[in-house]
Amino acid sequence: EAEVAQSPRYKITEKSQAVAFWCDPISGHATLYWYRQILGQGPELLVQFQDESVVDDSQLPKDRFSAERLKGVDSTLKIQPAELGDSAMYLCASSFPGQGYGYTFGSGTRLTVV
Amino acid sequence: AQSVAQPEDQVNVAEGNPLTVKCTYSVSGNPYLFWYVQYPNRGLQFLLKYITGDNLVKGSYGFEAEFNKSQTSFHLKKPSALVSDSALYFCAVRPNQAGTALIFGKGTTLSVSS
Repeated sequence: EAEVAQSPRYKITEKSQAVAFWCDPISGHATLYWYRQILGQGPELLVQFQDESVVDDSQLPKDRFSAERLKGVDSTLKIQPAELGDSAMYLCASSFPGQGYGYTFGSGTRLTVV
Repeated sequence: AQSVAQPEDQVNVAEGNPLTVKCTYSVSGNPYLFWYVQYPNRGLQFLLKYITGDNLVKGSYGFEAEFNKSQTSFHLKKPSALVSDSALYFCAVRPNQAGTALIFGKGTTLSVSS
């Protein structure tokens, strides 16, 4: 069964440092999402891509977060500088375009900022 | 604002008993509804979805969900719980509006005792 690949699985970084996460969606899934899940809460959308274009980044803290999907395949989410409040699980998901399709999620990256 | 509510932080049931995890939503139009399950330090796994048609939807691992339009609810059910069903369950809604992403509830922890 096809999977969404994410790396690293775990990351510990000091505040004010830069950190990056990588996601490789399922082949053929044009839509890619980055969600942030704080412990005890549901996932919240950070950014949505359709191919290489950003569809929605209204909840992305653009002063410190950036996301790209240059060739419309894999994607990178970056935080610079990291803050203590950024500690969370960062989930990548992909789907076919169209509102009726569910997502396939990766295993996530657990970020701890110290 | 569009939202999803899971009124119970935790549901406790004994193995073999039926279980219900509640979900209500506030979304304009006719949304698409989903349930996902999450095990510790893992991504979310798709259980089932409602798009249209029969109000009772059957999904993975013996789970089913009942869509009630008048009550704007989409409760998750299973006739006989297993200890292995213990996990975190998320209800999600996707507005029937092109380009909009899944909106998740805060999650309900299901604990099944032997």
